[in-house]
Parts: sequence; structure tokens; C-alpha cells
Amino acid sequence: IAGITQAPTSQILAAGRRMTLRCTQDMRHNAMYWYRQDLGLGLRLIHYSNTAGTTGKGEVPDGYSVSRANTDDFPLTLASAVPSQTSVYFCASSAQAGSTDTQYFGPGTRLTVL
Amino acid sequence: GQNIDQPTEMTATEGAIVQINCTYQTSGFNGLFWYQQHAGEAPTFLSYNVLDGLEEKGRFSSFLSRSKGYSYLLLKELQMKDSASYLCALMDSNYQLIWGAGTKLIIKP
Repeated sequence: IAGITQAPTSQILAAGRRMTLRCTQDMRHNAMYWYRQDLGLGLRLIHYSNTAGTTGKGEVPDGYSVSRANTDDFPLTLASAVPSQTSVYFCASSAQAGSTDTQYFGPGTRLTVL
Repeated sequence: GQNIDQPTEMTATEGAIVQINCTYQTSGFNGLFWYQQHAGEAPTFLSYNVLDGLEEKGRFSSFLSRSKGYSYLLLKELQMKDSASYLCALMDSNYQLIWGAGTKLIIKP
């Protein structure tokens, strides 16, 4: 692999179900991020991780949780999905947190909650 | 708080030049990024400005004026493949990116 992979590519989910979006990077980047992108709005930060073992809340964290057990993986979990969580989800990474390092994005997961 | 404005949509002709503007208000600033995003794809990095002035990279240039809270992305010799959305993002005092809604650029032959 090169860069960031996300899975699944797309998913249709019934409201109330639990869902985990997967993100893996092979660049040994310390910082990772989860964004959602909705029509007419800019990317919004959900959660981030500055380094393995630490996580933080972004602008729109409610209804989502993350973990960072190792450097490469940063899964995003929706404990009980709601229709307002219908969106395109992007995972990103950068070499170091707290710096102006460029963020690199995965291909995205298109999630529809019915 | 922070606020970023950029036009929703622009149209230009193949071979021409287009300037996409971005204005912002922020209490903390660590630079401004431009990304390109083709429909259905991930954003990809184009440029970063932290000092006032023009940064040139081939057909693409980016300008920043910190005192005016203003940046623009200049695309020259437009090609059909430049049809995409262009995202302006400022890096705040916590080194988090705050994103504009993006400008959809349509290139016509």
C-alpha cells in the first residue's frame, strides 16, 4: 500500500445500528484525523489523534468515538447511527501533530443511514 | 471565532486563467492551505502559504495577505482535468485546519 486506506468504500446502514469505519496508514505518521464532508459545508473535524494512545475531540464529536491502539490504525465508531450521520467520511494523517505538516487524505467512506 | 468564505462555483474556459478567492477571519493563524478535490475523490494538497506573497508551482500559484485576511489560488493554462472543487483551509493557533466549503470550478471547452 501507499498512503491511507479506508474501508468500507460505501455502506447503507439502518438507524440504531453500530458501525466502525476503518482507516490504516503506512506512512508512520504520528497524527491522524477523522472528518465528515457534507454538501455546502466545509470538512468538519470529528476526532483526532496526535500520537498512538491519545485521542481528542474535534468540532463535531457527538455520536462518534475513536481509538488509537497503534500508529497505523485509527477506527471511527458510530455507536448507534442516526440519519444525520449520513455523510462522506475522510480519514487523514500528517507526520507530526502541532505542526504545519501537510495532511494526506484517504479515499473516503460514503455512509447512508436510513 | 473563525470564518472562511469562498465562492460556491466558478466557470472558466480551457486555456484561460482563473483566480479563486478566499477570505477569512481568525484569532490565530499558522498558515493557509489549498487543496484540490475531484468529484468522488479525496482532497489532495496543492499549496501552503504562511508569509505574505505569491508562491508559484507550475500552472498553479497561491497568494496570501495576512493583514487583509485574503488568499487566492491562480490557475493558468486551464485544462479540462482542472475541473474540480478547490478547498481553502486555514490552520488555527492549535494547528487544526478550518475548512471553507469549497469552490466548484467548471472548465468549458
